[in-house]
Amino acid sequence: DGGITQSPKYLFRKEGQNVTLSCEQNLNHDAMYWYRQDPGQGLRLIYYSQIVNDFQKGDIAEGYSVSREKKESFPLTVTSAQKNPTAFYLCASSSGVSYNSPLHFGNGTRLTVT
Amino acid sequence: AQKVTQAQTEISVVEKEDVTLDCVYETRDTTYYLFWYKQPPSGELVFLIRRNSFDEQNEISGRYSWNFQKSTSSFNFTITASQVVDSAVYFCALSEANTGRRALTFGSGTRLQVQP
Repeated sequence: DGGITQSPKYLFRKEGQNVTLSCEQNLNHDAMYWYRQDPGQGLRLIYYSQIVNDFQKGDIAEGYSVSREKKESFPLTVTSAQKNPTAFYLCASSSGVSYNSPLHFGNGTRLTVT
Repeated sequence: AQKVTQAQTEISVVEKEDVTLDCVYETRDTTYYLFWYKQPPSGELVFLIRRNSFDEQNEISGRYSWNFQKSTSSFNFTITASQVVDSAVYFCALSEANTGRRALTFGSGTRLQVQP
């Protein structure tokens, strides 16, 4: 079955360490997205990519980095510069880059930094 | 700038009650899409519906219905005869055509609890 795979489901890190969250899709979608979810704040956009080797900052990109070397993969690195990294991270993709394309989401990665 | 407001943080109902989830949006764009997503306890967001800014016709799908009113910038979601399986967090989202931002802006979500 086609879908989006995020791994791992739970991730624990010490403060000051960089950590990379994986996101893979086999839907042949062009666009991919990273959102962060905090209680009471909904989903906030971190980065998105409309095509391989290109990506744009979202609303809260500071302290994060991404790469898009392959169409099916869009890993997110949470760097030590991110002040409050503990959150639930959701990866999504869409078939087109049009504004009307619904997003398909993965199951998320819950990151805890202590 | 675009904005989506879901003023209801949490709603609790008893099974078989009807419930309406409110969504109010702000945009300067004349062409946009509105979406509703459901997030069950598993965490994955599930797409429910999208509606473009030129189509104010209400939509009904089984027990779900959506009321889009441009005059009040609202896109409300009603569940009729709620069931325990409807318990989830529901998000409303907005996407604009002419800002160059090719991503959805989400509201803060409404947690719905349906008690048996």
